[in-house]
Amino acid sequence: AQSVAQPEDQVNVAEGNPLTVKCTYSVSGNPYLFWYVQYPNRGLQFLLKYITGDNLVKGSYGFEAEFNKSQTSFHLKKPSALVSDSALYFCAVRESSSSASKIIFGSGTRLSIRP
Amino acid sequence: ETGVTQSPTHLIKTRGQQVTLRCSSQSGHNTVSWYQQALGQGPQFIFQYYREEENGRGNFPPRFSGLQFPNYSSELNVNALELDDSALYLCASSLGHSYNSPLHFGNGTRLTVT
Repeated sequence: AQSVAQPEDQVNVAEGNPLTVKCTYSVSGNPYLFWYVQYPNRGLQFLLKYITGDNLVKGSYGFEAEFNKSQTSFHLKKPSALVSDSALYFCAVRESSSSASKIIFGSGTRLSIRP
Repeated sequence: ETGVTQSPTHLIKTRGQQVTLRCSSQSGHNTVSWYQQALGQGPQFIFQYYREEENGRGNFPPRFSGLQFPNYSSELNVNALELDDSALYLCASSLGHSYNSPLHFGNGTRLTVT
Protein backbone atom coordinates (compact mmCIF):
# COMPACT_ATOMS: atom_id res chain seq x y z
CA ALA A 1 0.00 0.00 0.00
CA GLN A 2 1.15 3.49 -0.72
CA SER A 3 2.11 5.79 2.14
CA VAL A 4 3.74 9.10 2.87
CA ALA A 5 5.77 10.10 5.92
CA GLN A 6 6.58 13.58 7.11
CA PRO A 7 8.98 13.00 10.00
CA GLU A 8 8.85 16.52 11.40
CA ASP A 9 5.70 17.90 13.02
CA GLN A 10 7.20 21.40 13.04
CA VAL A 11 10.06 23.22 11.33
CA ASN A 12 11.29 26.58 12.61
CA VAL A 13 13.40 28.83 10.37
CA ALA A 14 14.55 32.44 10.53
CA GLU A 15 13.37 34.73 7.75
CA GLY A 16 15.87 34.86 4.90
CA ASN A 17 17.35 31.44 5.68
CA PRO A 18 16.86 28.40 3.47
CA LEU A 19 14.17 25.94 4.48
CA THR A 20 13.61 22.23 3.96
CA VAL A 21 10.47 20.24 4.76
CA LYS A 22 11.08 16.50 4.57
CA CYS A 23 8.94 13.82 2.95
CA THR A 24 9.49 10.14 2.22
CA TYR A 25 7.13 7.87 0.34
CA SER A 26 6.36 4.23 -0.31
CA VAL A 27 4.60 2.97 -3.45
CA SER A 28 4.70 -0.22 -5.46
CA GLY A 29 4.69 1.44 -8.88
CA ASN A 30 5.90 4.76 -10.22
CA PRO A 31 5.18 7.57 -7.79
CA TYR A 32 3.36 10.76 -8.59
CA LEU A 33 4.24 13.23 -5.86
CA PHE A 34 2.68 16.50 -4.77
CA TRP A 35 3.12 19.26 -2.22
CA TYR A 36 0.19 21.27 -0.89
CA VAL A 37 0.02 24.16 1.58
CA GLN A 38 -2.82 24.93 3.99
CA TYR A 39 -3.40 28.29 5.64
CA PRO A 40 -5.63 28.60 8.75
CA ASN A 41 -9.31 27.86 8.10
CA ARG A 42 -8.66 27.27 4.41
CA GLY A 43 -8.50 24.35 2.03
CA LEU A 44 -5.27 23.03 0.56
CA GLN A 45 -3.46 24.86 -2.23
CA PHE A 46 -1.38 23.04 -4.83
CA LEU A 47 2.32 24.00 -4.81
CA LEU A 48 4.06 21.60 -7.18
CA LYS A 49 4.15 18.06 -8.53
CA TYR A 50 6.61 15.45 -9.77
CA ILE A 51 5.46 13.12 -12.50
CA THR A 52 8.58 12.33 -14.49
CA GLY A 53 11.67 14.06 -15.86
CA ASP A 54 13.98 16.40 -13.96
CA ASN A 55 14.46 15.52 -10.32
CA LEU A 56 14.26 19.19 -9.30
CA VAL A 57 10.73 20.53 -9.65
CA LYS A 58 9.89 24.22 -9.39
CA GLY A 59 6.52 25.38 -8.09
CA SER A 60 4.56 28.32 -6.76
CA TYR A 61 5.82 31.06 -4.42
CA GLY A 62 9.50 30.22 -5.03
CA PHE A 63 9.24 26.67 -3.68
CA GLU A 64 10.97 23.71 -5.27
CA ALA A 65 11.23 20.03 -4.45
CA GLU A 66 13.88 17.42 -5.09
CA PHE A 67 12.87 13.89 -6.08
CA ASN A 68 15.31 11.20 -4.99
CA LYS A 69 14.32 7.72 -6.14
CA SER A 70 17.05 5.83 -4.28
CA GLN A 71 16.10 7.47 -0.98
CA THR A 72 12.36 7.53 -1.83
CA SER A 73 12.25 11.15 -0.77
CA PHE A 74 10.62 14.32 -2.08
CA HIS A 75 11.81 17.17 0.15
CA LEU A 76 10.34 20.66 -0.23
CA LYS A 77 12.84 23.52 -0.31
CA LYS A 78 13.07 27.28 -0.60
CA PRO A 79 16.33 29.26 -0.76
CA SER A 80 15.10 32.20 1.33
CA ALA A 81 12.13 31.89 3.70
CA LEU A 82 9.48 34.59 4.17
CA VAL A 83 7.29 35.13 7.24
CA SER A 84 4.30 34.66 4.93
CA ASP A 85 5.47 31.09 4.22
CA SER A 86 4.31 30.12 7.72
CA ALA A 87 1.61 27.49 7.20
CA LEU A 88 0.89 23.76 7.26
CA TYR A 89 2.53 21.77 4.46
CA PHE A 90 1.41 18.39 3.18
CA CYS A 91 3.28 15.95 1.01
CA ALA A 92 1.09 13.59 -1.03
CA VAL A 93 1.53 10.61 -3.34
CA ARG A 94 -0.58 8.90 -5.96
CA GLU A 95 0.26 5.45 -7.17
CA SER A 96 0.39 5.12 -10.94
CA SER A 97 -1.58 1.88 -10.91
CA SER A 98 -4.58 3.45 -9.25
CA SER A 99 -7.49 4.16 -11.56
CA ALA A 100 -8.88 6.94 -9.41
CA SER A 101 -7.12 10.10 -8.34
CA LYS A 102 -6.82 8.69 -4.83
CA ILE A 103 -4.11 10.79 -3.29
CA ILE A 104 -2.59 9.84 0.04
CA PHE A 105 -1.51 12.74 2.23
CA GLY A 106 1.12 12.84 4.93
CA SER A 107 0.32 14.05 8.43
CA GLY A 108 1.62 17.53 7.70
CA THR A 109 4.50 19.73 8.84
CA ARG A 110 3.89 23.08 10.42
CA LEU A 111 6.39 25.62 9.09
CA SER A 112 7.06 28.62 11.29
CA ILE A 113 9.19 31.48 9.97
CA ARG A 114 10.38 33.97 12.59
CA PRO A 115 11.17 37.57 11.60
CA GLU B 1 -12.56 31.27 -13.34
CA THR B 2 -14.71 30.21 -10.39
CA GLY B 3 -12.97 28.11 -7.75
CA VAL B 4 -14.33 25.26 -5.66
CA THR B 5 -17.05 26.39 -3.28
CA GLN B 6 -18.46 24.43 -0.35
CA SER B 7 -21.51 24.95 1.81
CA PRO B 8 -22.17 25.34 4.62
CA THR B 9 -18.90 26.57 6.14
CA HIS B 10 -19.78 25.35 9.62
CA LEU B 11 -22.33 22.87 10.91
CA ILE B 12 -23.24 21.45 14.30
CA LYS B 13 -25.15 18.17 14.48
CA THR B 14 -26.15 15.69 17.15
CA ARG B 15 -25.00 12.08 17.26
CA GLY B 16 -27.32 9.87 15.20
CA GLN B 17 -28.45 12.63 12.86
CA GLN B 18 -27.81 12.85 9.13
CA VAL B 19 -25.94 15.59 7.27
CA THR B 20 -25.53 16.70 3.65
CA LEU B 21 -22.56 18.76 2.53
CA ARG B 22 -22.42 20.45 -0.85
CA CYS B 23 -19.68 21.28 -3.30
CA SER B 24 -19.51 23.18 -6.59
CA SER B 25 -16.48 22.21 -8.65
CA GLN B 26 -14.16 24.59 -10.40
CA SER B 27 -15.33 25.64 -13.84
CA GLY B 28 -14.46 22.99 -16.42
CA HIS B 29 -13.62 20.28 -13.86
CA ASN B 30 -15.55 17.02 -14.16
CA THR B 31 -14.10 15.07 -11.23
CA VAL B 32 -14.84 15.62 -7.56
CA SER B 33 -13.10 14.04 -4.58
CA TRP B 34 -14.06 14.27 -0.92
CA TYR B 35 -11.62 14.20 1.97
CA GLN B 36 -12.00 14.15 5.74
CA GLN B 37 -9.42 16.06 7.75
CA ALA B 38 -9.50 15.42 11.48
CA LEU B 39 -7.83 17.92 13.76
CA GLY B 40 -4.05 17.72 13.52
CA GLN B 41 -4.08 15.16 10.72
CA GLY B 42 -3.72 15.05 6.97
CA PRO B 43 -6.76 14.70 4.72
CA GLN B 44 -8.12 11.16 4.32
CA PHE B 45 -9.66 10.11 0.99
CA ILE B 46 -13.38 9.30 1.25
CA PHE B 47 -14.37 8.80 -2.42
CA GLN B 48 -14.24 10.27 -5.89
CA TYR B 49 -16.89 10.90 -8.53
CA TYR B 50 -16.24 11.08 -12.25
CA ARG B 51 -19.07 11.74 -14.69
CA GLU B 52 -21.68 11.03 -12.00
CA GLU B 53 -20.24 7.62 -11.08
CA GLU B 54 -18.24 6.69 -7.97
CA ASN B 55 -14.73 6.07 -9.25
CA GLY B 56 -12.85 5.08 -6.11
CA ARG B 57 -13.42 4.81 -2.38
CA GLY B 58 -11.29 4.98 0.73
CA ASN B 59 -11.73 3.12 4.02
CA PHE B 60 -14.98 4.73 5.05
CA PRO B 61 -18.19 2.86 6.01
CA PRO B 62 -21.28 2.80 3.76
CA ARG B 63 -22.99 5.46 5.87
CA PHE B 64 -20.74 7.87 3.95
CA SER B 65 -22.31 8.27 0.52
CA GLY B 66 -22.25 10.77 -2.27
CA LEU B 67 -23.71 12.04 -5.49
CA GLN B 68 -22.46 13.95 -8.48
CA PHE B 69 -24.86 15.90 -10.64
CA PRO B 70 -24.77 16.61 -14.41
CA ASN B 71 -23.25 20.04 -13.74
CA TYR B 72 -20.45 18.21 -11.84
CA SER B 73 -21.45 19.61 -8.45
CA SER B 74 -21.49 17.05 -5.67
CA GLU B 75 -22.94 16.12 -2.30
CA LEU B 76 -21.53 14.17 0.60
CA ASN B 77 -24.08 12.51 2.85
CA VAL B 78 -23.29 11.03 6.23
CA ASN B 79 -25.91 9.00 8.09
CA ALA B 80 -26.02 8.02 11.76
CA LEU B 81 -23.43 10.60 12.76
CA GLU B 82 -20.83 9.61 15.34
CA LEU B 83 -18.68 11.85 17.52
CA ASP B 84 -15.59 10.81 15.53
CA ASP B 85 -17.15 12.25 12.39
CA SER B 86 -16.29 15.71 13.70
CA ALA B 87 -13.77 17.05 11.19
CA LEU B 88 -13.13 19.42 8.32
CA TYR B 89 -14.63 17.98 5.14
CA LEU B 90 -12.84 19.04 2.00
CA CYS B 91 -14.06 18.85 -1.54
CA ALA B 92 -11.56 18.92 -4.39
CA SER B 93 -12.13 19.07 -8.12
CA SER B 94 -9.86 18.16 -10.99
CA LEU B 95 -9.95 17.87 -14.75
CA GLY B 96 -10.47 14.19 -15.41
CA HIS B 97 -9.21 11.51 -13.04
CA SER B 98 -5.77 11.49 -14.59
CA TYR B 99 -2.91 10.68 -12.28
CA ASN B 100 -1.17 14.00 -12.83
CA SER B 101 -4.12 16.34 -12.41
CA PRO B 102 -3.62 18.38 -9.25
CA LEU B 103 -6.56 18.76 -6.94
CA HIS B 104 -8.19 22.16 -6.42
CA PHE B 105 -9.66 22.35 -2.93
CA GLY B 106 -12.52 24.32 -1.46
CA ASN B 107 -12.21 25.89 1.99
CA GLY B 108 -14.11 23.02 3.58
CA THR B 109 -17.07 22.47 5.86
CA ARG B 110 -16.31 22.23 9.57
CA LEU B 111 -18.64 19.60 11.03
CA THR B 112 -19.03 19.28 14.77
CA VAL B 113 -20.97 16.30 16.17
CA THR B 114 -22.13 16.60 19.77
